[in-house]
Amino acid sequence: GDSVTQMEGPVTLSEEAFLTINCTYTATGYPSLFWYVQYPGEGLQLLLKATKADDKGSNKGFEATYRKETTSFHLEKGSVQVSDSAVYFCALTNNAGNMLTFGGGTRLMVKP
Amino acid sequence: DAGVIQSPRHEVTEMGQEVTLRCKPISGHDYLFWYRQTMMRGLELLIYFNNNVPIDDSGMPEDRFSAKMPNASFSTLKIQPSEPRDSAVYFCASSPDRVGGYTFGSGTRLTVV
Repeated sequence: GDSVTQMEGPVTLSEEAFLTINCTYTATGYPSLFWYVQYPGEGLQLLLKATKADDKGSNKGFEATYRKETTSFHLEKGSVQVSDSAVYFCALTNNAGNMLTFGGGTRLMVKP
Repeated sequence: DAGVIQSPRHEVTEMGQEVTLRCKPISGHDYLFWYRQTMMRGLELLIYFNNNVPIDDSGMPEDRFSAKMPNASFSTLKIQPSEPRDSAVYFCASSPDRVGGYTFGSGTRLTVV
């Protein structure tokens, strides 16, 4: 079945550092890929998405490129802020259904 | 739009009691999902509905769990009887279509003592 694998956290960075959170997937067909963010005490929020190979999703300085050849969708940000501290989830839906399959989440902690 | 609304935000109950969680999806969203989040198992899909009809309930852990969607603007998740291992954060999410991103509610933190 479909699956999503994320790097384990926590990831601890200093403010203004470069961020990469790795995500790889296994899926049938041509999935759509998503990154969600969960701030403390809140539900998940859609951060960005990409629906086909080579698409780049971007939002709030975050970006991720759909790489079919490496089945990856790594999240990057050039300069993190303390306010980016949260848990980040990579997810996919395949074109045969409409259920999101989530990765295990990666906690990001940004220190001033 | 007020987003997906869940109630209550927090629920503490004794083992054996019935618990009902509520969700109001975004108007016009045809899909509704119930997820459970724990430290041990992460996010688990329990059940989802399309146009108020349950489509897949294979994630419901056991017969103690049941979910209904009597109309397009309301869904419930019931646990009867509740057990301490049911303690978790329960999220409701809705979506307008198969490929769009989901909108999640703020969750209900359930503690069964």
